[in-house]
Amino acid sequence: DTAVSQTPKYLVTQMGNDKSIKCEQNLGHDTMYWYKQDSKKFLKIMFSYNNKELIINETVPNRFSPKSPDKAHLNLHINSLELGDSAVYFCASSLTGLAGLPSYNEQFFGPGTRLTVL
Amino acid sequence: AQKITQTQPGMFVQEKEAVTLDCTYDTSDPSYGLFWYKQPSSGEMIFLIYQGSYDQQNATEGRYSLNFQKARKSANLVISASQLGDSAMYFCAMREGTPLVFGKGTRLSVIA
Repeated sequence: DTAVSQTPKYLVTQMGNDKSIKCEQNLGHDTMYWYKQDSKKFLKIMFSYNNKELIINETVPNRFSPKSPDKAHLNLHINSLELGDSAVYFCASSLTGLAGLPSYNEQFFGPGTRLTVL
Repeated sequence: AQKITQTQPGMFVQEKEAVTLDCTYDTSDPSYGLFWYKQPSSGEMIFLIYQGSYDQQNATEGRYSLNFQKARKSANLVISASQLGDSAMYFCAMREGTPLVFGKGTRLSVIA
Protein backbone atom coordinates (compact mmCIF):
# COMPACT_ATOMS: atom_id res chain seq x y z
CA ASP A 1 0.00 0.00 0.00
CA THR A 2 2.90 2.32 -0.81
CA ALA A 3 1.70 5.89 -1.38
CA VAL A 4 4.60 7.39 -3.38
CA SER A 5 7.25 5.04 -4.67
CA GLN A 6 10.53 5.77 -6.41
CA THR A 7 12.97 3.51 -8.18
CA PRO A 8 15.81 3.02 -7.81
CA LYS A 9 16.59 3.87 -4.19
CA TYR A 10 20.30 4.12 -4.94
CA LEU A 11 21.95 5.01 -8.23
CA VAL A 12 25.70 5.08 -8.74
CA THR A 13 26.94 6.01 -12.19
CA GLN A 14 29.79 7.56 -14.12
CA MET A 15 30.00 11.14 -15.32
CA GLY A 16 28.54 11.59 -18.78
CA ASN A 17 26.00 8.78 -18.49
CA ASP A 18 22.23 9.17 -18.92
CA LYS A 19 19.95 7.85 -16.20
CA SER A 20 16.28 7.86 -15.23
CA ILE A 21 14.44 7.84 -11.92
CA LYS A 22 10.85 6.65 -11.83
CA CYS A 23 8.08 7.85 -9.55
CA GLU A 24 4.56 6.56 -9.06
CA GLN A 25 1.79 7.58 -6.68
CA ASN A 26 -1.38 5.64 -5.94
CA LEU A 27 -3.13 8.38 -3.96
CA GLY A 28 -5.22 9.81 -6.77
CA HIS A 29 -3.33 13.11 -6.53
CA ASP A 30 -3.24 15.48 -9.48
CA THR A 31 0.04 17.25 -8.83
CA MET A 32 3.50 15.72 -8.68
CA TYR A 33 6.88 17.22 -7.94
CA TRP A 34 10.60 16.59 -8.06
CA TYR A 35 12.75 18.05 -5.29
CA LYS A 36 16.53 17.93 -4.98
CA GLN A 37 18.24 17.67 -1.59
CA ASP A 38 21.90 18.64 -1.71
CA SER A 39 24.75 17.55 0.53
CA LYS A 40 23.88 20.29 3.02
CA LYS A 41 20.36 18.86 3.30
CA PHE A 42 18.77 21.82 1.54
CA LEU A 43 15.58 20.82 -0.29
CA LYS A 44 14.61 22.72 -3.42
CA ILE A 45 11.80 22.31 -5.92
CA MET A 46 12.87 21.35 -9.42
CA PHE A 47 9.64 20.64 -11.30
CA SER A 48 5.93 20.53 -10.68
CA TYR A 49 3.34 18.83 -12.87
CA ASN A 50 -0.43 19.23 -12.59
CA ASN A 51 -2.57 16.75 -14.52
CA LYS A 52 0.42 15.83 -16.67
CA GLU A 53 1.15 19.47 -17.54
CA LEU A 54 4.37 21.18 -16.50
CA ILE A 55 3.50 24.12 -14.26
CA ILE A 56 6.79 24.89 -12.56
CA ASN A 57 10.27 24.56 -13.92
CA GLU A 58 12.81 26.14 -11.62
CA THR A 59 16.26 27.05 -12.81
CA VAL A 60 17.33 23.53 -13.64
CA PRO A 61 19.78 22.62 -16.44
CA ASN A 62 18.00 21.31 -19.51
CA ARG A 63 19.89 18.05 -19.04
CA PHE A 64 17.05 17.29 -16.64
CA SER A 65 13.85 16.35 -18.42
CA PRO A 66 10.74 15.30 -16.51
CA LYS A 67 8.14 13.15 -18.22
CA SER A 68 4.61 12.56 -17.00
CA PRO A 69 2.91 9.80 -19.01
CA ASP A 70 -0.17 10.01 -16.77
CA LYS A 71 -1.29 11.66 -13.54
CA ALA A 72 0.12 8.84 -11.43
CA HIS A 73 3.65 8.92 -12.83
CA LEU A 74 6.41 11.50 -13.04
CA ASN A 75 9.78 10.28 -14.22
CA LEU A 76 13.02 12.21 -14.25
CA HIS A 77 15.57 11.67 -16.97
CA ILE A 78 19.04 13.15 -16.63
CA ASN A 79 21.43 13.41 -19.56
CA SER A 80 25.21 13.78 -19.42
CA LEU A 81 25.44 13.41 -15.66
CA GLU A 82 27.87 15.68 -13.83
CA LEU A 83 29.52 15.41 -10.43
CA GLY A 84 27.31 18.24 -9.13
CA ASP A 85 24.20 16.20 -9.84
CA SER A 86 25.02 13.97 -6.89
CA ALA A 87 22.17 14.46 -4.43
CA VAL A 88 19.04 12.85 -3.10
CA TYR A 89 16.05 13.33 -5.39
CA PHE A 90 12.59 13.22 -3.88
CA CYS A 91 9.36 12.76 -5.73
CA ALA A 92 6.21 14.08 -4.04
CA SER A 93 2.52 14.41 -4.80
CA SER A 94 -0.44 16.39 -3.55
CA LEU A 95 -4.08 17.13 -4.35
CA THR A 96 -4.69 20.66 -5.53
CA GLY A 97 -7.30 22.51 -3.52
CA LEU A 98 -9.97 24.79 -4.92
CA ALA A 99 -8.52 27.96 -6.38
CA GLY A 100 -8.58 30.85 -3.97
CA LEU A 101 -9.26 28.72 -0.91
CA PRO A 102 -6.70 27.71 1.63
CA SER A 103 -6.64 23.96 1.76
CA TYR A 104 -4.79 21.25 3.50
CA ASN A 105 -2.56 19.92 0.78
CA GLU A 106 -0.07 17.73 2.51
CA GLN A 107 2.61 16.67 0.13
CA PHE A 108 3.45 13.01 0.38
CA PHE A 109 7.07 12.26 -0.34
CA GLY A 110 8.64 9.22 -1.88
CA PRO A 111 11.55 7.52 -0.11
CA GLY A 112 14.13 9.40 -2.18
CA THR A 113 16.75 8.29 -4.70
CA ARG A 114 20.35 8.80 -3.71
CA LEU A 115 22.27 9.58 -6.90
CA THR A 116 26.05 9.38 -6.81
CA VAL A 117 28.01 10.49 -9.86
CA LEU A 118 31.62 9.32 -9.96
CA ALA B 1 15.40 36.86 0.59
CA GLN B 2 14.73 33.60 2.34
CA LYS B 3 11.10 32.64 2.55
CA ILE B 4 11.59 30.24 5.44
CA THR B 5 14.19 30.79 8.15
CA GLN B 6 15.22 28.20 10.67
CA THR B 7 17.84 29.83 12.86
CA GLN B 8 18.88 26.75 14.83
CA PRO B 9 21.16 24.48 12.80
CA GLY B 10 21.38 22.06 15.73
CA MET B 11 19.58 21.49 19.02
CA PHE B 12 20.03 19.13 21.94
CA VAL B 13 17.29 18.09 24.32
CA GLN B 14 17.13 15.70 27.24
CA GLU B 15 14.82 12.74 26.87
CA LYS B 16 11.31 13.43 28.24
CA GLU B 17 11.82 17.20 28.06
CA ALA B 18 9.97 19.51 25.67
CA VAL B 19 11.77 21.31 22.86
CA THR B 20 10.84 24.18 20.54
CA LEU B 21 12.18 24.40 17.00
CA ASP B 22 11.98 27.88 15.52
CA CYS B 23 10.62 28.83 12.13
CA THR B 24 9.86 32.23 10.67
CA TYR B 25 8.44 32.85 7.23
CA ASP B 26 8.03 35.65 4.76
CA THR B 27 5.01 36.06 2.51
CA SER B 28 2.60 38.75 1.39
CA ASP B 29 -0.02 36.21 0.32
CA PRO B 30 -2.92 36.03 2.82
CA SER B 31 -3.50 32.36 1.96
CA TYR B 32 -0.68 29.97 2.74
CA GLY B 33 0.08 26.77 4.58
CA LEU B 34 2.88 25.91 6.95
CA PHE B 35 4.25 22.40 7.35
CA TRP B 36 6.78 20.58 9.46
CA TYR B 37 8.53 17.48 8.21
CA LYS B 38 10.88 15.11 10.00
CA GLN B 39 13.78 13.44 8.20
CA PRO B 40 15.42 10.66 10.22
CA SER B 41 18.82 9.28 9.32
CA SER B 42 17.11 6.73 7.07
CA GLY B 43 16.29 9.64 4.76
CA GLU B 44 12.53 9.59 4.26
CA MET B 45 10.46 12.75 4.68
CA ILE B 46 7.74 12.29 7.28
CA PHE B 47 4.90 14.79 7.55
CA LEU B 48 4.30 15.93 11.13
CA ILE B 49 1.87 18.83 11.28
CA TYR B 50 0.11 21.48 9.20
CA GLN B 51 -1.17 24.99 9.95
CA GLY B 52 -3.28 26.98 7.53
CA SER B 53 -3.04 30.75 7.51
CA TYR B 54 -6.75 31.10 8.28
CA ASP B 55 -6.80 28.53 11.06
CA GLN B 56 -7.88 30.13 14.30
CA GLN B 57 -6.36 27.54 16.58
CA ASN B 58 -2.84 26.21 16.78
CA ALA B 59 -2.45 22.80 15.18
CA THR B 60 -1.71 19.79 17.38
CA GLU B 61 -0.88 16.18 16.46
CA GLY B 62 -0.07 13.95 19.38
CA ARG B 63 3.20 15.16 20.92
CA TYR B 64 3.61 17.81 18.21
CA SER B 65 2.09 21.24 18.39
CA LEU B 66 2.60 24.29 16.25
CA ASN B 67 2.92 27.66 17.97
CA PHE B 68 1.50 29.87 15.21
CA GLN B 69 1.98 33.60 15.70
CA LYS B 70 0.67 35.15 12.51
CA ALA B 71 1.57 38.76 13.27
CA ARG B 72 5.16 37.75 13.98
CA LYS B 73 5.17 35.33 11.03
CA SER B 74 6.42 32.50 13.13
CA ALA B 75 5.42 28.84 13.19
CA ASN B 76 7.48 27.12 15.84
CA LEU B 77 7.23 23.37 16.36
CA VAL B 78 6.93 22.16 19.93
CA ILE B 79 7.72 18.53 20.69
CA SER B 80 6.63 17.46 24.14
CA ALA B 81 8.15 14.56 26.09
CA SER B 82 11.06 14.03 23.68
CA GLN B 83 11.99 10.47 22.82
CA LEU B 84 15.25 9.07 21.48
CA GLY B 85 13.46 8.34 18.21
CA ASP B 86 12.83 12.05 17.75
CA SER B 87 16.49 12.57 16.85
CA ALA B 88 16.35 13.72 13.22
CA MET B 89 16.43 16.72 10.89
CA TYR B 90 13.30 18.85 11.09
CA PHE B 91 12.22 21.03 8.20
CA CYS B 92 9.75 23.87 8.24
CA ALA B 93 8.08 24.54 4.90
CA MET B 94 5.58 26.97 3.43
CA ARG B 95 3.17 26.58 0.56
CA GLU B 96 1.88 29.66 -1.24
CA GLY B 97 1.27 28.03 -4.60
CA THR B 98 1.74 24.31 -4.96
CA PRO B 99 5.40 23.44 -4.34
CA LEU B 100 6.78 23.67 -0.85
CA VAL B 101 9.55 26.09 0.03
CA PHE B 102 11.75 24.60 2.72
CA GLY B 103 13.91 26.05 5.43
CA LYS B 104 17.45 24.77 5.89
CA GLY B 105 16.44 22.49 8.69
CA THR B 106 17.31 21.94 12.35
CA ARG B 107 19.11 18.83 13.50
CA LEU B 108 17.60 17.67 16.78
CA SER B 109 19.53 15.29 19.00
CA VAL B 110 17.74 13.72 21.96
CA ILE B 111 20.04 12.71 24.79
CA ALA B 112 19.26 9.85 27.17
